[in-house]
Amino acid sequence: GNSVTQMEGPVTLSEEAFLTINCTYTATGYPSLFWYVQYPGEGLQLLLKATKADDKGSNKGFEATYRKETTSFHLEKGSVQVSDSAVYFCALSDRYNFNKFYFGSGTKLNVKP
Amino acid sequence: EAQVTQNPRYLITVTGKKLTVTCSQNMNHEYMSWYRQDPGLGLRQIYYSMNVEVTDKGDVPEGYKVSRKEKRNFPLILESPSPNQTSLYFCASSLRESDGTQYFGPGTRLLVL
Repeated sequence: GNSVTQMEGPVTLSEEAFLTINCTYTATGYPSLFWYVQYPGEGLQLLLKATKADDKGSNKGFEATYRKETTSFHLEKGSVQVSDSAVYFCALSDRYNFNKFYFGSGTKLNVKP
Repeated sequence: EAQVTQNPRYLITVTGKKLTVTCSQNMNHEYMSWYRQDPGLGLRQIYYSMNVEVTDKGDVPEGYKVSRKEKRNFPLILESPSPNQTSLYFCASSLRESDGTQYFGPGTRLLVL
């Protein structure tokens, strides 16, 4: 079946530090992959996505590359800001049934000034 | 403003008392979905709808019902709520099922006593 595994949080970084949040997946076929971000008290917002192997999604300084060989989609940012503090969710949609989505458990990021 | 709205935002109820959580989107999206968010489990899909009168089960449909009589509305019905349905619920929509870019509502926090 399909599943998404994320690194445990919380992750605490100082401002301007480099960020990596690991995400690996199990899926039938080749799914589309997503990172969503949830700020306190709000719903999720799409951060970036990639729909095929070797695609790189990017937005607001965040990047993630779809790695088929390692079934991974790690989120990176070169220099985090306090405003990046949020919960980050990795997700996939089933290639054979686009209607079905699977989310990881979320990784909380705390950025200190 | 393009948005997904949910009502109520907070709800405390007792076991067995039927309730409905409404969800409405103003973006003319075909696809809508309901999720529940629980600590350590991330988001799990309850039901989804590809268009009016077309719905299907997600991963955790037990104890829930949905309907899609109009394109903009997708209510979630708990006919006999139980304490294990205490959770944070999110409604989401996207332009079409293959789009993958979901827009989330602000969430409904439900407590079943």
